[in-house]
Amino acid sequence: DIQMTQSPSTLSASVGDRVTITCRASQSISNWLAWYQQKPGRAPKVLIYKASSLQSGVPSRFSGSGSGTEFTLTISSLQPDDFATYYCQQYKTYLRTFGQGTKVEIK
Amino acid sequence: EVLLVESGGGLVQPGGSLRLSCAASGFTFSSYTISWVRQAPGKGLEWVSAISASGGGTTYADSVKGRFTISRDNSKNTLYLQMNSLRAEDTAVYYCAKASSPSSFDFDYWGQGTLVTVS
Repeated sequence: DIQMTQSPSTLSASVGDRVTITCRASQSISNWLAWYQQKPGRAPKVLIYKASSLQSGVPSRFSGSGSGTEFTLTISSLQPDDFATYYCQQYKTYLRTFGQGTKVEIK
Repeated sequence: EVLLVESGGGLVQPGGSLRLSCAASGFTFSSYTISWVRQAPGKGLEWVSAISASGGGTTYADSVKGRFTISRDNSKNTLYLQMNSLRAEDTAVYYCAKASSPSSFDFDYWGQGTLVTVS
C-alpha cells in the first residue's frame, strides 16, 4: 500500500498568515493527489484534485502543488473559516489512502 | 444537487452485524464508483471499500476484507455495506463518497455520515 505522511500534525496560525501543509507519498503517485478540508462534526470537502486543480467553488486562496512524492497545500491568507483539519489522499491505486491529517488551530 | 444520505448505523455488540445504506440523488448513480470511508472517534479518515458503477467490481481495505460486503442497487440509487463479525475497532462514522469522475478514485461529494458503535 502507498503510505501518506502529512506534516505538521498541528499548526497554530493567525488570520492573515500564509500557511503551508506538506504531504509525502511512500512511492511516486504522479499527480494523483487530492486535498480535503474537514470541520468538526462535518463531512470532508474537496479543495484540490490532481495535485493542483482547484475544485469549483473553492476560494482562490487555496492552492496545491507538487508531483511524484512531495506535495503542498497552501492557504495564502488564512481566514476564520479556514480553521479546520486538512487531509491529503492519494488515488493512484484503487487502495486509496489518506494522510493522518493536519489540524490548523487559532494562534 | 448531489445528495448522499447514509442510514443504518447504531449500537451493536462485538461479533454482531449491521447493514448500512446510502441513498443517492442528483446525479446518474449508475455511472459512478462509490466508496465507503470511515472515521473513528477523534481519528483520521480510512477508506473502507469501493464498488464499480455496474457493481461488478469491488475492493476492500485489508482491515475489513472477509467481514464487510459492499453492494449497490442501481434501480434504487442505493449503496449498501453489510458488516459482519464487528469489532470494537470498527466503531466509527461511516461516510459514503462519490468518485469525481467515472474512472477516478478521488471523491467530490460525501454524505453526512452514520455512526456505528461496537460495544
